[in-house]
Amino acid sequence: GESVGLHLPTLSVQEGDNSIINCAYSNSASDYFIWYKQESGKGPQFIIDIRSNMDKRQGQRVTVLLNKTVKHLSLQIAATQPGDSAVYFCAEKRNSGYALNFGKGTSLLVTP
Amino acid sequence: SAVISQKPSRDICQRGTSLTIQCQVDSQVTMMFWYRQQPGQSLTLIATANQGSEATYESGFVIDKFPISRPNLTFSTLTVSNMSPEDSSIYLCSGGQETYEQYFGPGTRLTVT
Repeated sequence: GESVGLHLPTLSVQEGDNSIINCAYSNSASDYFIWYKQESGKGPQFIIDIRSNMDKRQGQRVTVLLNKTVKHLSLQIAATQPGDSAVYFCAEKRNSGYALNFGKGTSLLVTP
Repeated sequence: SAVISQKPSRDICQRGTSLTIQCQVDSQVTMMFWYRQQPGQSLTLIATANQGSEATYESGFVIDKFPISRPNLTFSTLTVSNMSPEDSSIYLCSGGQETYEQYFGPGTRLTVT
């Protein structure tokens, strides 16, 4: 069945370093992925998305990489800041309809 | 992007009662969804709110327990009926267009005693 999972439940990085959050998916037919950031007490915030016809997409300080061969995507955050501390979810569009399947989430902690 | 608000932001309810959560979008959206998030967990889809017709529920969720309305393209409600402590969770509304981007509300934190 469809499933999206993350490699690491927690990640601690020093301020200024780059962060990499990984996500594996099992549905080879998945054609759209989103990364969300969820701060404590708030709803998920859209960060960046990528379609399956792309390998890489860049935003402001963030890059998403998609490797369809191994069904893996990653979120890279450059020059991580304390405000980046949050839980990050990857999500994939389902085969039918427009709803999303969410991964388990990675908690990112940025230390000074 | 769309800005989504939810009311109430939190509530404490007694077992056996019902709570209706409202979701308002600042612009017309094609799609609206309701998710549940247990503390420290990921998001689970409850249902797709269809405008002018019955919602489409996921396995494990039924209309009698979670009736949903969507009278127009900017508004939806989710009712949690006959609540039990197991219903304590965060309930999230999301909306988007058929381009797949989805934006989320801040969530409603429900505690059932």
